[in-house]
Amino acid sequence: IAGITQAPTSQILAAGRRMTLRCTQDMRHNAMYWYRQDLGLGLRLIHYSNTAGTTGKGEVPDGYSVSRANTDDFPLTLASAVPSQTSVYFCASSVIYNTGELFFGEGSRLTVL
Amino acid sequence: GDSVTQMEGPVTLSEEAFLTINCTYTATGYPSLFWYVQYPGEGLQLLLKATKADDKGSNKGFEATYRKETTSFHLEKGSVQVSDSAVYFCALSVNTDKLIFGTGTRLQVFP
Repeated sequence: IAGITQAPTSQILAAGRRMTLRCTQDMRHNAMYWYRQDLGLGLRLIHYSNTAGTTGKGEVPDGYSVSRANTDDFPLTLASAVPSQTSVYFCASSVIYNTGELFFGEGSRLTVL
Repeated sequence: GDSVTQMEGPVTLSEEAFLTINCTYTATGYPSLFWYVQYPGEGLQLLLKATKADDKGSNKGFEATYRKETTSFHLEKGSVQVSDSAVYFCALSVNTDKLIFGTGTRLQVFP
């Protein structure tokens, strides 16, 4: 089934460790996004990519980095995890940048202790 | 700045009841408006959208009308089912700039 695959589904991580959340899409969408979802705050954009080779900062980019080496993959890296990065992370894609019609993965639940 | 405000949840209803989830927005331009739904353990899915004033978006029995005069995009359904239990997010996009989400409203439907 076409769509977005995220991994891992869930992870517990010690503070200070490095972590990469993986995201792969098979819809050949140009744009991809990373959001975090926190209770009472809704979804907040971390980073985005208009097209392969380009990335941009969203609303809450500090402590995170991304890369977009090809169309399909958009990994999110936490260089040195902190407890405030405990959240559910969603990867999404759209045919072109910000039409508003996003396709979401099933999320990665990250707990930083 | 641009923003979306949703009613606090949870909204608790019996099956076959009428549903309204309120959403109002603030935008500097002419936004497109969206409702997304998140079922338990899943990612968000686009439910419906409207791109200009007086447009009505509809899908799966849900409707929302883009009201420019009241800056609202309330979600309605005439008869909810247990399977509609989920979190609903209102969102806007102005000039294809970033998509801004509301905080979400949890709907619980009991048999």
